Amino acid sequence: GAVVSQHPSWVICKSGTSVKIECRSLDFQATTMFWYRQFPKQSLMLMATSNEGSKATYEQGVEKDKFLINHASLTLSTLTVTSAHPEDSSFYICSARDPGQGVSRSKLFFGSGTQLSVL
Amino acid sequence: AQTVTQSQPEMSVQEAETVTLSCTYDTSESDYYLFWYKQPPSRQMILVIRQEAYKQQNATENRFSVNFQKAAKSFSLKISDSQLGDAAMYFCAYRNSGGGADGLTFGKGTHLIIQP
Repeated sequence: GAVVSQHPSWVICKSGTSVKIECRSLDFQATTMFWYRQFPKQSLMLMATSNEGSKATYEQGVEKDKFLINHASLTLSTLTVTSAHPEDSSFYICSARDPGQGVSRSKLFFGSGTQLSVL
Repeated sequence: AQTVTQSQPEMSVQEAETVTLSCTYDTSESDYYLFWYKQPPSRQMILVIRQEAYKQQNATENRFSVNFQKAAKSFSLKISDSQLGDAAMYFCAYRNSGGGADGLTFGKGTHLIIQP
């Protein structure tokens, strides 16, 4: 089946630094990818929709200058947490839709997630 | 905006028994998709089952089946013959049908415990 690779799986950084997380679709082209955030023992919250070749669409309350999303190719979307602070510590998960499945099938594939810890 | 509600923070079931996880949702759309995802301790999201709102027939996948009540906006998951490997967080999720550009809206999850 389709695979979405997310890297790194975990990262520790100092407060004030920036961290980049990559999300790759390995065997399909994804025009749309999604970024979610999950706090411990809580649900996944959609942060933004990443569109290839255009600006990302952010959910209400998500700072676009804090969470920079770039979807420069059909197989890669990146999320950069800029000037990270301890409150940004969280589990970040990407997902991508395989358009080859057809809109009606609409199967989403998830990356394995990235645990970010900001000291 | 759509909302998804899972009213059971935790459920426990004996191995080999049947358990039902509840989910309700709110939407003004007539066409949409509903999903149940499993998140084990590895935190990898695993699709358990999906349901298209325009289909009246309830989806089934081996030991997993749903009871989809569109008028009541209810979408429960039944797990038959529970196995130890079923222990995980289960999330109910909703997505609009248009174009595939909409992300998923998740419920808060139900922690399923399997008693050996």
